[in-house]
Amino acid sequence: DAGVIQSPRHEVTEMGQEVTLRCKPISGHDYLFWYRQTMMRGLELLIYFNNNVPIDDSGMPEDRFSAKMPNASFSTLKIQPSEPRDSAVYFCASSTRRQTSNQPQHFGDGTRLSIL
Amino acid sequence: KNQVEQSPQSLIILEGKNCTLQCNYTVSPFSNLRWYKQDTGRGPVSLTIMTFSENTKSNGRYTATLDADTKQSSLHITASQLSDSASYICVVSYNAGGTSYGKLTFGQGTILTVHP
Repeated sequence: DAGVIQSPRHEVTEMGQEVTLRCKPISGHDYLFWYRQTMMRGLELLIYFNNNVPIDDSGMPEDRFSAKMPNASFSTLKIQPSEPRDSAVYFCASSTRRQTSNQPQHFGDGTRLSIL
Repeated sequence: KNQVEQSPQSLIILEGKNCTLQCNYTVSPFSNLRWYKQDTGRGPVSLTIMTFSENTKSNGRYTATLDADTKQSSLHITASQLSDSASYICVVSYNAGGTSYGKLTFGQGTILTVHP
């Protein structure tokens, strides 16, 4: 099992640029989650999908953030335009079934994003 | 307001010693409580998941307890090892109408350092 795969691992770009983060969930998992982690705010859930459909995007900070899941094996998180305060580590996670079945979320190793 | 508070913020112990991390929550209606271990530069890894009816769950040297009446959980680490040095994050899930996965509320984490 390859686990959740995120790319790139590191991204440094100038403010105003478009940033696209990518995630490949574990095969067979029907839930996909995007998180952001900072020292100040800790881990925050941005959005999650079930069967490729966005279910809850209440954690998406602004309209500059958008996420898509065109198929069961791929998702993107896009920031356009990027700002220095978007600098954080972005994690993708996947899981099976709903939370009441107590299935763990499997996290990727994250993308460390720095906006200059 | 739904909150999860962890204590202590950081902890230093000697290898071989036991330690206990605390998690208090005000989340309602409660669904489950998860403990994650996050190594530096890696994504969180699930240690335990407990529902309302469970008051203890073990995963090797890690034992989590849950008191749903007092809304407290603890993570006990036995015979600590250097590899236990990490951040430990408590996450509480609650049922939210209209969302299939529920809502997640995250603690800020406890940073554990194990010294030889």
